[in-house]
Amino acid sequence: DAGITQSPRHKVTETGTPVTLRCHQTENHRYMYWYRQDPGHGLRLIHYSYGVKDTDKGEVSDGYSVSRSKTEDFLLTLESATSSQTSVYFCAISPGQWLATPTAAFFGQGTRLTVV
Amino acid sequence: DQQVKQNSPSLSVQEGRISILNCDYTNSMFDYFLWYKKYPAEGPTFLISISSIKDKNEDGRFTVFLNKSAKHLSLHIVPSQPGDSAVYFCAATQGGSEKLVFGKGTKLTVNP
Repeated sequence: DAGITQSPRHKVTETGTPVTLRCHQTENHRYMYWYRQDPGHGLRLIHYSYGVKDTDKGEVSDGYSVSRSKTEDFLLTLESATSSQTSVYFCAISPGQWLATPTAAFFGQGTRLTVV
Repeated sequence: DQQVKQNSPSLSVQEGRISILNCDYTNSMFDYFLWYKKYPAEGPTFLISISSIKDKNEDGRFTVFLNKSAKHLSLHIVPSQPGDSAVYFCAATQGGSEKLVFGKGTKLTVNP
């Protein structure tokens, strides 16, 4: 199994508070991603990173920011949590070697976030 | 606008029979497709993939078929086993892009 650790695994927070989720990898993969999974929506990309300090937006990035100061860590911050951000958040990693064949992303166990 | 569609939210099959999960896409630039399996309270796990230069890829009990003209792919599981019961996500990407676009998933239940 790919070495990906998400923390915390569960969190309940109040509306308006900032929240930071952490993803840590031991695979030295170049690419890291944050997805959210919601009923009826599947998995949607929030932000991704293609290297230290290199990040870009996904399809549902509003209300979220990310940082990657080290290869192994990718942080997702909800600047001011809202109830619509109640979701399961998944971190994923991939080596990014798209020379001949794209590589599959490997996912963490997920963080269940509830905003009350 | 949903670029990857899994129109069947759920599918139920008997153990030992074939499971066929379908996926349609609208973006003709997609050239690589993946299937992921997800158990409750776990992250998705990669199952099988196919490049647009192929029309079939096989890995044990799992086969993915790609019909580019119809923008359709399917995952066949033969024979189905109760342990295959999970949510299956179809995903697609364009060459050179690391961003996957996922469908909404199909929940497969294999009954003993």
